[in-house]
This record gives sequence, structure tokens and C-alpha cells, in this order.
Amino acid sequence: GENVEQHPSTLSVQEGDSAVIKCTYSDSASNYFPWYKQELGKRPQLIIDIRSNVGEKKDQRIAVTLNKTAKHFSLHITETQPEDSAVYFCAASNPGSARQLTFGSGTQLTVLP
Amino acid sequence: DAGVIQSPRHEVTEMGQEVTLRCKPISGHNSLFWYRQTMMRGLELLIYFNNNVPIDDSGMPEDRFSAKMPNASFSTLKIQPSEPRDSAVYFCASSLVETDTEAFFGQGTRLTVV
Repeated sequence: GENVEQHPSTLSVQEGDSAVIKCTYSDSASNYFPWYKQELGKRPQLIIDIRSNVGEKKDQRIAVTLNKTAKHFSLHITETQPEDSAVYFCAASNPGSARQLTFGSGTQLTVLP
Repeated sequence: DAGVIQSPRHEVTEMGQEVTLRCKPISGHNSLFWYRQTMMRGLELLIYFNNNVPIDDSGMPEDRFSAKMPNASFSTLKIQPSEPRDSAVYFCASSLVETDTEAFFGQGTRLTVV
């Protein structure tokens, strides 16, 4: 089955700096890669996703890149703000698994004011 | 739509008791997932249903755990008997498998077994 590795497990940045979180996946058939943000005590919520026919996607301060050959994908947050502080999860799924998501272990991002 | 609805939000029970967690997926969604979240193990998929049929329950930790989906709008996750190590936040999520849409999570049930 799919295995998703996520790094780093914790990340602290100064407000205004950029943050990068990286994930690798094992199943070459995976073709959907969402990123979820989970604030303390709340549910995970989708912030951005990318499909395997696209190499990069951007939404305001958030961008995701995908390297299918290397089976890597990354989340980039620019101009970080204190409200970006949360746990971020990457995930992967493929049509053969009826879209079940395999999650990475999460990254606790802290943006220092 | 009110989103995925889970109940109860919090549950405290004594070891050995039966616990039932409930989930109402988003109307029209045909996939439903049960996840368990702990500090040690992160987000683990326990079981998922497609069109009310259990597809993969390999994540269910042991026979004390069971899940049902009697219709498209309701699912339960039961633990019997419960143990302290079952303490976690249990999330239900739903999606529409054909259109590659995101999985929407419920608010979760925080279970504490004492």
C-alpha cells in the first residue's frame, strides 16, 4: 500500500518568512495530493491540492509543487502570518484505492511574531 | 449543507464499556472514512465505505472495533469493550469518489477511556 513520509515534524519561522514542508510517497499510481491544515482542537481542512497532471499550483500565499519522477511534493507558504500556525498534513491517494487518503505524519508550524 | 456531522463531540467512558460513535456524511457523498488521531500515531485510516459497503478495514486495530453503514446517511463506529489505549480523537470524513473531490472531515469525537 501507499506510504507517505513528511518532513520536518516541527518548523518554526519568523513572521514574514517562508515555510516549506516536504513529502514523499511510495505508490507511483497515486495521482491526487491534498494538503490539510489542522488548527488546535479542530478538524483537518483542505487548503490546496494538486493532481499528477500538474507540476505546480498556487493560491495566494500557498503553493504546492509535485515531482512525479522523484515522487516528491511540497507545500510552500510565503509571507507567513501568526494565523498560519497549525499542523499541516500531506496526503496521497490513487484511483485504485477508491480515493482513500494516506496521510503523512504532520508538521507543526509555528510562526513567531 | 451542514457538513459532516459527528456525535458525540466528547465521550468519557470507563474501561470495559461499549462506545458508539456516529457520523452523518455530506448528502450525496458516496465514500465515508473513519480515522483515528493520536499524538503517537497521527491520522490513521481505520475503515472506509464506498456506497455503504466496507471496502478496506485493514486499519481496524482489533476485533473490539466494528463499523457499520446501514444507509447512505449514517455510519457508526463501535468499540466493545473499550480500553484506555483507545483514547483518541475519532474523525469521520466523506467524499464523492467519482469526481476527485476533497475529503471533508467532521468535527471529531474526543474519546477518553478511564
